[in-house]
Amino acid sequence: ETGVTQTPRHLVMGMTNKKSLKCEQHLGHNAMYWYKQSAKKPLELMFVYSLEERVENNSVPSRFSPECPNSSHLFLHLHTLQPEDSALYLCASSQEALAGQKPYEQYFGPGTRLTVT
Amino acid sequence: DQQVKQNSPSLSVQEGRISILNCDYTNSMFDYFLWYKKYPAEGPTFLISISSIKDKNEDGRFTVFLNKSAKHLSLHIVPSQPGDSAVYFCAASVSGTYKYIFGTGTRLKVLA
Repeated sequence: ETGVTQTPRHLVMGMTNKKSLKCEQHLGHNAMYWYKQSAKKPLELMFVYSLEERVENNSVPSRFSPECPNSSHLFLHLHTLQPEDSALYLCASSQEALAGQKPYEQYFGPGTRLTVT
Repeated sequence: DQQVKQNSPSLSVQEGRISILNCDYTNSMFDYFLWYKKYPAEGPTFLISISSIKDKNEDGRFTVFLNKSAKHLSLHIVPSQPGDSAVYFCAASVSGTYKYIFGTGTRLKVLA
């Protein structure tokens, strides 16, 4: 596998279910991201992990719970979601952003299309 | 309030002609800008970037222009090819941070 992979690619879940999204990067990066893309809205940054520590949490509801066990893997645990959480969830990775240095471009996975019924 | 705006949701261009995609931003702290391309059922892929110390960056058929005083950047594709048909996102960031702010995207259709 190369690049950034995400599983599953599609997920339908009820509001009382618990599920997890998985992301894996094979690029040797040390920063990983979760984004949400809803229809006709910009990509919204949800969480950022750098060297396995969470460095950004953009006021995301607690029904979304990220986990980064190592620099290559990132999970998004989902529970008691709402229909408005239906969206494309994208994972990305990059080199670590260092103070004063230009940001590194992010490499995205193909996304998980989530539908909450 | 959207800090990065792409006001044209779609654009159609004839093959071989120039495609110009526009992006405006409001936050003067942004000092690094990127363009991504997205095909259906795929994640966005990085296309080209520009630092605020430059006003132009070129890579093959793709050129990005930055006008800091107008807080405006544009992506020029010339000549346009049918394979360029995709959604294009601009994004802005501040050096040393992890935060990229994305626009809503412009869907480009290149007609053969």
